[in-house]
Amino acid sequence: DARVTQTPRHKVTEMGQEVTMRCQPILGHNTVFWYRQTMMQGLELLAYFRNRAPLDDSGMPKDRFSAEMPDATLATLKIQPSEPRDSAVYFCASGLVDGLAGGNTGELFFGEGSRLTVL
Amino acid sequence: AQSVTQLGSHVSVSEGALVLLRCNYSSSVPPYLFWYVQYPNQGLQLLLKYTSAATLVKGINGFEAEFKKSETSFHLTKPSAHMSDAAEYFCAVSPMGFQKLVFGTGTRLLVSP
Repeated sequence: DARVTQTPRHKVTEMGQEVTMRCQPILGHNTVFWYRQTMMQGLELLAYFRNRAPLDDSGMPKDRFSAEMPDATLATLKIQPSEPRDSAVYFCASGLVDGLAGGNTGELFFGEGSRLTVL
Repeated sequence: AQSVTQLGSHVSVSEGALVLLRCNYSSSVPPYLFWYVQYPNQGLQLLLKYTSAATLVKGINGFEAEFKKSETSFHLTKPSAHMSDAAEYFCAVSPMGFQKLVFGTGTRLLVSP
């Protein structure tokens, strides 16, 4: 049963600490997205990658957030230093894009999320 | 730029009643449109999608949605609500051929016995 796997599922940390969230996309998928969900802002796109290359990270606070794909099976989202306003659920999603025009059905498969609480 | 507007943050229905969740979109190019469902403490699951084929799209769990270009709408319906349908529902849009989904603010569906 193919699924997107995220770790940790829950994280409580103190302000100023570094937080790293990990995502294993579905094998064979070539796009990976990071979304953040809060009550106030809903679902916000933070960053996305295609074939491991970052395509858009305009939704991400650059001074403290960073996203990488060290290899095709791992995506990471790092926050350093963390702040209470970063408390949210962070979702990773993966999908498959093919063709020169990036044609695809657009479907994304979501992980179960990493719930972050920064005290 | 693409965006979606979901009317009503909460919708309450009785079990067996019609479910109607509203979504209007804005897109400068032909859009792909999606409905996702989120159950408590879970990720989002795809209910159905419109990708420029049939305007009436059938999804899982008895849901369907109709793409109406003239009304820029993509409302989600189900003839008869079940208790298990209680969840949060998100409408999303992406420009055709791309995958960057822009989500609406979500509508929480409450189903009473």
